[in-house]
Amino acid sequence: AQSVAQPEDQVNVAEGNPLTVKCTYSVSGNPYLFWYVQYPNRGLQFLLKYITGDNLVKGSYGFEAEFNKSQTSFHLKKPSALVSDSALYFCAVRDGGGGADGLTFGKGTHLIIQP
Amino acid sequence: DGGITQSPKYLFRKEGQNVTLSCEQNLNHDAMYWYRQDPGQGLRLIYYSQIVNDFQKGDIAEGYSVSREKKESFPLTVTSAQKNPTAFYLCASSPAGARGYTFGSGTRLTVV
Repeated sequence: AQSVAQPEDQVNVAEGNPLTVKCTYSVSGNPYLFWYVQYPNRGLQFLLKYITGDNLVKGSYGFEAEFNKSQTSFHLKKPSALVSDSALYFCAVRDGGGGADGLTFGKGTHLIIQP
Repeated sequence: DGGITQSPKYLFRKEGQNVTLSCEQNLNHDAMYWYRQDPGQGLRLIYYSQIVNDFQKGDIAEGYSVSREKKESFPLTVTSAQKNPTAFYLCASSPAGARGYTFGSGTRLTVV
């Protein structure tokens, strides 16, 4: 079985400060890891993914995430937050070793950037 | 432009009615998925389909039905057996191997 935990329901950051949204995962094989962002009443938009290779993954809108195998984590980061980054963020995982049922999502973290 | 289209954007259902949510993609993706989103619960998988004429139940399939007669289309029917259907429904598609999903813009279903 595969699972994802996003331990924070909400993260508050002042504009211009660095931000981190936490994600830990559990899979039996090699993980495929994803971050998505959702704005109100919209679908999810892809930010970045880790399949293999460099542990630091760069994505859209200046976001990046670091894959840490020993800590089974894939935290989302951005050096300088913008008010427009305020949204709901989802981490997702799939077991790269197989399994037909696709991605498993975390419960989401509300990111609030204060001016 | 390639993409995935959900319709309608808003849908209202009376008690005891069945309603069908549309999902169409022109990305030539093999797999399609339906998720339900409720506040604080993230996305929960309802049904998924890896190929035409085949689909599998997800975690919360009770009260829902699907069909996959064409590669491009994966409609979801919310039946009267679903006791709490008010939610935001998201459709997604992916190429074989699920190395990333493309999502539709969602349908908000409300029971009146």
